Amino acid sequence: GQNIDQPTEMTATEGAIVQINCTYQTSGFNGLFWYQQHAGEAPTFLSYNVLDGLEEKGRFSSFLSRSKGYSYLLLKELQMKDSASYLCAGYSGAGSYQLTFGKGTKLSVIP
Amino acid sequence: DVKVTQSSRYLVKRTGEKVFLECVQDMDHENMFWYRQDPGLGLRLIYFSYDVKMKEKGDIPEGYSVSREKKERFSLILESASTNQTSMYLCASSLTSGRNHNEQFFGPGTRLTVL
Repeated sequence: GQNIDQPTEMTATEGAIVQINCTYQTSGFNGLFWYQQHAGEAPTFLSYNVLDGLEEKGRFSSFLSRSKGYSYLLLKELQMKDSASYLCAGYSGAGSYQLTFGKGTKLSVIP
Repeated sequence: DVKVTQSSRYLVKRTGEKVFLECVQDMDHENMFWYRQDPGLGLRLIYFSYDVKMKEKGDIPEGYSVSREKKERFSLILESASTNQTSMYLCASSLTSGRNHNEQFFGPGTRLTVL
């Protein structure tokens, strides 16, 4: 499996912008997912990047650099409801349907 | 609407009991997965299945088994529950092909406590 690294915790202010980074091993990599998980709930899909570059989806954007083994999730105009864990997950492809998840970044949004 | 359901949200069992956790998806997905999630350890894959009657070990299969007799149902079995199996168990499913085919859809989770 892949090594997926992301910060354990982050705190940001309501209305601000926050960037959550994720690094991974580039060998055997074929795509990267971001999931959001509120406390006590199931993870829900946010984004999937296969190609280099930024993909924007409303207040959330996700960036991928395949050569650097690096991704980030950008959250703009933070709201209190954005307080959650954000999970980065790598997909290796090549007939494997598994995802390798990072340990998640717990984001706390404060007033 | 995409739906993955799990048989229980909360379960309390005693050490040594046999425990069945059921997962059903209504999306005709080929792939199904069982994870456990523990604080500081993230999501860890226990078992997965690519097709009916097929199963593959994940990263932490010890103490668990699975059954997939029908495409829509994937069961996780704890043959003899132990206290270190107290955890949140999450089931997920995904397609084999198509757009975003590896997006995994998760059930609500079962919080299992083994006393």
